[in-house]
Amino acid sequence: DQQVKQNSPSLSVQEGRISILNCDYTNSMFDYFLWYKKYPAEGPTFLISISSIKDKNEDGRFTVFLNKSAKHLSLHIVPSQPGDSAVYFCAASAGYGGSQGNLIFGKGTKLSVKP
Amino acid sequence: EAQVTQNPRYLITVTGKKLTVTCSQNMNHEYMSWYRQDPGLGLRQIYYSMNVEVTDKGDVPEGYKVSRKEKRNFPLILESPSPNQTSLYFCASSSLGTVALGRQYFGPGTRLTVT
Repeated sequence: DQQVKQNSPSLSVQEGRISILNCDYTNSMFDYFLWYKKYPAEGPTFLISISSIKDKNEDGRFTVFLNKSAKHLSLHIVPSQPGDSAVYFCAASAGYGGSQGNLIFGKGTKLSVKP
Repeated sequence: EAQVTQNPRYLITVTGKKLTVTCSQNMNHEYMSWYRQDPGLGLRQIYYSMNVEVTDKGDVPEGYKVSRKEKRNFPLILESPSPNQTSLYFCASSSLGTVALGRQYFGPGTRLTVT
């Protein structure tokens, strides 16, 4: 049973426009959520995170929104740049209520930003 | 430079021949973890370690072993590799604590092919 779902395998966006990547989760014990970015032939790198006590976290062009009632989070990239083209993974952990060592990843969404 | 290193980066082996993939970090991190990435399945956690001599199973531990004798090293051992273990493997490390655990540093990956 997939606990973290990224239902869009790919997304194509024009440079300068907004990119919105979505993620749904099923485990109500999750209380910390993250986005990782992965370029080909490299390991994933941490991008942005949000705790369940917040509904929004912003870092430059990147904003993550959390809707706990819907068990949904999204990553907004504004404006999108060609260098943002990568695979984005949503991840979740039950840091307080569950095992702190277990980080659950989604399947990833491949973002392509076209010039 | 702070980094996680993995060796080898590429490996082709035959079914049943024991192999070890090494992982080392130079950031004095307590936490280390192994993941595998497969097409359409995203990143799945194999094993993790919260500190020296402490290891726990992730979501897909079957067919793998790990050890944590030193803080900086966390080797992944395949005692009898099978073709279904053909995958891209990532090692990661972080400090402890919910926020820190989410922000893991990943190695560059090891592409393993078992024939």
